Amino acid sequence: EVQLVESGGGLVQPGRSLRLSCTASGFTFGDYAMSWVRQAPGKGLEWVGFIRSKAYGGTTEYAASVKGRFTISRDDSKSIAYLQMNSLKTEDTAVYYCTRGGGDYGLDVWGQGTTVTVSS
Amino acid sequence: SYELTQPSSVSVSPGQTARITCSGDVLAKKYARWFQQKPGQAPVLVIYKDSERPSGIPERFSGSSSGTTVTLTISGAQVEDEADYYCYSAADNNSWVFGGGTKLTVL
Repeated sequence: EVQLVESGGGLVQPGRSLRLSCTASGFTFGDYAMSWVRQAPGKGLEWVGFIRSKAYGGTTEYAASVKGRFTISRDDSKSIAYLQMNSLKTEDTAVYYCTRGGGDYGLDVWGQGTTVTVSS
Repeated sequence: SYELTQPSSVSVSPGQTARITCSGDVLAKKYARWFQQKPGQAPVLVIYKDSERPSGIPERFSGSSSGTTVTLTISGAQVEDEADYYCYSAADNNSWVFGGGTKLTVL
C-alpha cells in the first residue's frame, strides 16, 4: 500500500524551530518529487514547497511566505522527506501535509497531516 | 501575489450537475489539478492535466478548460460529494498556488 506518514508536529514558541518528517512506503521514494502543503485552521490549502528527485537535481522551490525560513530535504535511503522550519511565526500555525510529486506533476498521494501550533 | 479565483460556494440538489470554476491568467498555458477535501481529511486528487481522472475517481467527475478558466463538473452530484474543492496550478516561474477553495453543498 502506498502511504505517507507525517510526524514531528507540536506546540512551539514563536522564533523557535521545528522539523517535520514524512515517511513513505509502498513506492520507490527516490523516483518522486515530494511536496509540503499546509492548511491554517479554517482556511484553504497553501503550497509550501517541494524537492525534486535526485534525477532532476534534488533542487527545491518554496513559497514566498516561507522562503529563507523553511528548508525541504530528503533521505532516499530512509524514504523520508523533511521540512525544517526556522524562525516560526504565529501565522505558520497549520496542519502540514506531505504529498507525492511536486510542481506540475503528481500530488496524487497525501499523508494524514501533522499539526503545528506556534504560540507563546 | 498570483491568484487562482474560485467561487466560495456552490449548491446543488442530489442528481443535479455541479460546476466549479477556477480562473487565472496562467491557466491559458498551464495545466490545472483539482482536489476534493472532506472535513477532517487529507485532500484527494480528482482531476489532473485539466481533464484527466485518476484511477478510482468516479466517472461523474470531469474537468475542462477554456482560455483562462478551468471547470470541474460533477454530473449527477451525490450527497457524498459534499466537500471543499481546490484548483491548483503554477503561479509563475518556480512557484505554484491553490485556489481559495469552493464549498460544495449537495442537499
